[in-house]
Amino acid sequence: GAVVSQHPSWVICKSGTSVKIECRSLDFQATTMFWYRQFPKQSLMLMATSNEGSKATYEQGVEKDKFLINHASLTLSTLTVTSAHPEDSSFYICSAVTSGMRYDEQFFGPGTRLTVL
Amino acid sequence: GENVEQHPSTLSVQEGDSAVIKCTYSDSASNYFPWYKQELGKRPQLIIDIRSNVGEKKDQRIAVTLNKTAKHFSLHITETQPEDSAVYFCAASRWTNAGKSTFGDGTTLTVKP
Repeated sequence: GAVVSQHPSWVICKSGTSVKIECRSLDFQATTMFWYRQFPKQSLMLMATSNEGSKATYEQGVEKDKFLINHASLTLSTLTVTSAHPEDSSFYICSAVTSGMRYDEQFFGPGTRLTVL
Repeated sequence: GENVEQHPSTLSVQEGDSAVIKCTYSDSASNYFPWYKQELGKRPQLIIDIRSNVGEKKDQRIAVTLNKTAKHFSLHITETQPEDSAVYFCAASRWTNAGKSTFGDGTTLTVKP
């Protein structure tokens, strides 16, 4: 149980285009999902907290108009990188938590490798 | 906000030896401390965690200790094996934040056969 998937697993796009990444909890309802960005050989940096049916809460320094987050259902959150630039190239990982299980534990998706040319 | 520091950044040990990774945190309200193992290009995997009402927890070759007074916690891996080679991250969170965690910078562990 507690499986989180992400799609796509990798994407290459041209500078200026937008990319959408999906995060799904497959066998549980995620009350909260988190989006992280991880640059090579660095730690996971929290970008935003996403709650179903409400606006995402962004961490300081993360542009909400550039990284659009939608949490339309208890099993799906999407991150759209708008007008992507090479500096947005990174590994994007989502995680999900639910109050129905161990309250504190996060379940991570497999990540999406974004490369912007 | 919470600040988590992790040391060392790299650690190389001989197979069979023990490895210890240490983290400190700043927010005295943090009460959940997970450790993750991440292999290259893959998702972080929870290997062990500890809550603030416990001082030590062990799971086979892996153990974690927590000193709330000093605000530090450590990961101990005994009888290391080459497959233990990976990047390890510590994290700290408050359960009232619904799982929002602050991560350490990671430790690259290399176990030499």
